[in-house]
Amino acid sequence: AQKVTQAQTEISVVEKEDVTLDCVYETRDTTYYLFWYKQPPSGELVFLIRRNSFDEQNEISGRYSWNFQKSTSSFNFTITASQVVDSAVYFCALSERDTDKLIFGTGTRLQVFP
Amino acid sequence: DGGITQSPKYLFRKEGQNVTLSCEQNLNHDAMYWYRQDPGQGLRLIYYSQIVNDFQKGDIAEGYSVSREKKESFPLTVTSAQKNPTAFYLCASSIDQGRNTEAFFGQGTRLTVV
Repeated sequence: AQKVTQAQTEISVVEKEDVTLDCVYETRDTTYYLFWYKQPPSGELVFLIRRNSFDEQNEISGRYSWNFQKSTSSFNFTITASQVVDSAVYFCALSERDTDKLIFGTGTRLQVFP
Repeated sequence: DGGITQSPKYLFRKEGQNVTLSCEQNLNHDAMYWYRQDPGQGLRLIYYSQIVNDFQKGDIAEGYSVSREKKESFPLTVTSAQKNPTAFYLCASSIDQGRNTEAFFGQGTRLTVV
């Protein structure tokens, strides 16, 4: 069965600190896709990244970076030099080959204090 | 601007009443989805549709119904059979099922049963 685990329910940091959000997934398929979404207080989910199971290269986009490790079934998300605007709930999600259905983790609430 | 519009933003319903949540998209996406979000449980899939006049049950379809008469519209009806309907409902769309593309989300409808 597919499953996504985000063990960190809530994280609080002070502005400019680096923070890593953990994501561990389970799937029996060899082809799958991983996603991260941000949910600000307004409610809608904002897409951040999509990664397929064959691409283990780490990715960096500005202050955001993602570390994908198939050996540990993890897809962790790091925010460098956090800002107050980063405060939101972050969801990790999984979809298997040939389906767009997303299986979400329970989310991590990040609070960045000035 | 292209996007997904959900209405209303807040909805109150008396026990025993059916209520319909609206979801419209102008992204020309084939696939549409309804998710339910409860505190601490992440998002769970209610129904999804790949093409007009066709839809499938997700993980928690009991007590809900949908229709897909137009490509742009995917309304969700919460029936009186849904035992615990108070939740945040999110509609999403993606280009095409099976390509594992990212989903775009609306701003959600918060339903409260009074």
